[in-house]
Amino acid sequence: GENVEQHPSTLSVQEGDSAVIKCTYSDSASNYFPWYKQELGKRPQLIIDIRSNVGEKKDQRIAVTLNKTAKHFSLHITETQPEDSAVYFCAASINNQGGKLIFGQGTELSVKP
Amino acid sequence: DTGVSQNPRHKITKRGQNVTFRCDPISEHNRLYWYRQTLGQGPEFLTYFQNEAQLEKSRLLSDRFSAERPKGSFSTLEIQRTEQGDSAMYLCASSLRRTGKSEGEQFFGPGTRLTVL
Repeated sequence: GENVEQHPSTLSVQEGDSAVIKCTYSDSASNYFPWYKQELGKRPQLIIDIRSNVGEKKDQRIAVTLNKTAKHFSLHITETQPEDSAVYFCAASINNQGGKLIFGQGTELSVKP
Repeated sequence: DTGVSQNPRHKITKRGQNVTFRCDPISEHNRLYWYRQTLGQGPEFLTYFQNEAQLEKSRLLSDRFSAERPKGSFSTLEIQRTEQGDSAMYLCASSLRRTGKSEGEQFFGPGTRLTVL
């Protein structure tokens, strides 16, 4: 089955710096890659997603890139702010096989003012 | 609140007892997922429904776990003979899958935190 590896497990940056989180997946049939942000004690919330027919997607300070050949995808956050501090999860799924999400282990991002 | 809701939010039980959790998805969503999340880990897929049909169950899931979605709306997850290892956050998510379209975003509920003593 699908396996998703996520690195790093913790990331500390200064406010205004960029943050990059990387994930690799094992199943080449995976075609949907969402990123979720989970604040302490809260539910996971989708921040951006990308499908396999696209190589990059941006939404204001957040971007995701996908390399299907290498089977890895990355989250880029620019101009980080203290409110970006949270745990970020990548996930992969195969849309025509039910859409279940296989999550990475998470990255705890800390943005220091 | 039109989001996904879950009840109870917290459940403390003794080992060996049965527990049942409820999830109410976003009303027009036809897909409903159950995940389990332990501290420091990402959510782990348990099972999912399309309308009232349970279409997939994780091979790692014990037979003590059962889920239903009898009318294609709310769902229940029951754990029989609870064990300490069942202690976790149980998350429900829902999405809308339209025929011929890609899978929609999964919206998560706040979760039910289970503690087995």
